[in-house]
Amino acid sequence: NAGVTQTPKFQVLKTGQSMTLQCAQDMNHEYMSWYRQDPGMGLRLIHYSVGAGITDQGEVPNGYNVSRSTTEDFPLRLLSAAPSQTSVYFCASKNTGELFFGEGSRLTVL
Amino acid sequence: GENVEQHPSTLSVQEGDSAVIKCTYSDSASNYFPWYKQELGKRPQLIIDIRSNVGEKKDQRIAVTLNKTAKHFSLHITETQPEDSAVYFCAATSPFSGTYKYIFGTGTRLKVLA
Repeated sequence: NAGVTQTPKFQVLKTGQSMTLQCAQDMNHEYMSWYRQDPGMGLRLIHYSVGAGITDQGEVPNGYNVSRSTTEDFPLRLLSAAPSQTSVYFCASKNTGELFFGEGSRLTVL
Repeated sequence: GENVEQHPSTLSVQEGDSAVIKCTYSDSASNYFPWYKQELGKRPQLIIDIRSNVGEKKDQRIAVTLNKTAKHFSLHITETQPEDSAVYFCAATSPFSGTYKYIFGTGTRLKVLA
């Protein structure tokens, strides 16, 4: 039981490049979400999904796209990276109360 | 939507003293209030939670209190130890009412001085 798995752990992009952060969970959780963590800003919700085929915006959705074609996977796409998207990204999933986090992906946009 | 405020942003205590972190929330529909601990370079992990039908919950040296009327809840750590040094996040959500956003406070960096 791997829990929540995120890839890659580290990524450096140039401004304007696109990339996808992968997230997979093997706990059969319906709810999945993406957060970004910046110093002094806490964990801010980007997008979330309550099940396959259903996604919704969080607090800071601009510049990010998501899709949920399966229960297990919830990729986060940056279509045109900007320096303001330099951050640590966490994927998290849950059934009812407790959120289970992945190890995080550190993204740097130059 | 929900807004969660957390104070203080940093807190330094002597080993053995108590630490208290406070959070306020805005959405009266929220009924689940967890606390997460994040050690340096690690992922956040749940340490304690409380539901709205309970006013206080305790687990060894940590406790959480909830005042639904005032919309605030607090984390209490007694007899602090160096391994309690971490960033702590509160959150508010209502997982059973169809409001699925899980909103966190901005975090408190706790330093326990030996």
